[in-house]
Amino acid sequence: EDQVTQSPEALRLQEGESSSLNCSYTVSGLRGLFWYRQDPGKGPEFLFTLYSAGEEKEKERLKATLTKKESFLHITAPKPEDSATYLCAVPSQGAQKLVFGQGTRLTINP
Amino acid sequence: KAGVTQTPRYLIKTRGQQVTLSCSPISGHRSVSWYQQTPGQGLQFLFEYFSETQRNKGNFPGRFSGRQFSNSRSEMNVSTLELGDSALYLCASSWRTSGTSTDTQYFGPGTRLTVL
Repeated sequence: EDQVTQSPEALRLQEGESSSLNCSYTVSGLRGLFWYRQDPGKGPEFLFTLYSAGEEKEKERLKATLTKKESFLHITAPKPEDSATYLCAVPSQGAQKLVFGQGTRLTINP
Repeated sequence: KAGVTQTPRYLIKTRGQQVTLSCSPISGHRSVSWYQQTPGQGLQFLFEYFSETQRNKGNFPGRFSGRQFSNSRSEMNVSTLELGDSALYLCASSWRTSGTSTDTQYFGPGTRLTVL
């Protein structure tokens, strides 16, 4: 069965303190890996799509990377407004059905 | 470009009632997927509609159903509500182009359903 595991469950950083979030997956035939950001009470906001091992994408203080077994979301010099839950997901059954990890709840203290 | 919209944003129902939620996808998107989000189970796939046909279905009971209209708008219905149906229901839309990769899904703000 396709699975996505994210770690850590929660992470508290000081403003400016860089770190990485991990997303490991087991799926037959990866057809993309998606990162989303979700603020409390809102729908997930799309961040990145990665399709092949070695691929990297950047947006402001975030950079996502992909290997054959996992993906990392690197956060460089974060600010309090980066506080959110970060979700990763992979398509299952070669379709539009996304399997999500449980998310990493990130808190950036000023 | 307008994003995915969902109505209503909040609903309170009692056990045994039924409820209908609505989703309007991003203009041009033809696929609509529905997800349930709860603190315990996280985000779980309910079903996907494309060209007015259900294409994929998650592991939920038959009380959960949906449909899609010719303009790609979608509705989902939950009958005989149970306390455990309380959740954030999210709709996502995508182009659903053919090929070996999966298109990005863009989510709406969700409908918060509370069952008393």
